[in-house]
Amino acid sequence: GQQLNQSPQSMFIQEGEDVSMNCTSSSIFNTWLWYKQDPGEGPVLLIALYKAGELTSNGRLTAQFGITRKDSFLNISASIPSDVGIYFCAGRMEYGNKLVFGAGTILRVKS
Amino acid sequence: DVKVTQSSRYLVKRTGEKVFLECVQDMDHENMFWYRQDPGLGLRLIYFSYDVKMKEKGDIPEGYSVSREKKERFSLILESASTNQTSMYLCASSSVAGGIYEQYFGPGTRLTVT
Repeated sequence: GQQLNQSPQSMFIQEGEDVSMNCTSSSIFNTWLWYKQDPGEGPVLLIALYKAGELTSNGRLTAQFGITRKDSFLNISASIPSDVGIYFCAGRMEYGNKLVFGAGTILRVKS
Repeated sequence: DVKVTQSSRYLVKRTGEKVFLECVQDMDHENMFWYRQDPGLGLRLIYFSYDVKMKEKGDIPEGYSVSREKKERFSLILESASTNQTSMYLCASSSVAGGIYEQYFGPGTRLTVT
């Protein structure tokens, strides 16, 4: 099935740095979701976006629904060690009834 | 808070065995999903259900079946386990009212088939 292109695949950053990651597709999406997965656990929903151009924050996390409806971005400000994990984007295509998932961005933080 | 529980965190089975993975949600959600997660491939949808006794195939249904006899419970069945079904299996649920695509996941079952 359709898979989103998520980048970067992994990041190794210094504590306190800001982090950016994104998901892109050649298809138009109506919904974007961002999840975080800790080792050995299931994904936890962070942010849901429903309108093109929408910008939503959840604490130090900010996500945006791209204006073209083909991409989405997640930013984490002032990273801390507990931000470590895998971040997944997920989206629902314009005429779809299921979510498709990106392959994930592995985030590692140096303290 | 939504709670999705899965019957086992870790499971080891032999090739050819019939395997049952159970998922229960406590928030009266209409929709339930089974995914498998493999490194570098993200999450892939196996089956989903929008209502009791209702099921629809996802992207990779081959080798799997499901059962939903009660609203809160969704079971994944591996009819004859094979080594290529070694994976992390994730169950999720969502409600129509709460945003049908906002899926909430269980902790996962790591299945090893030897």
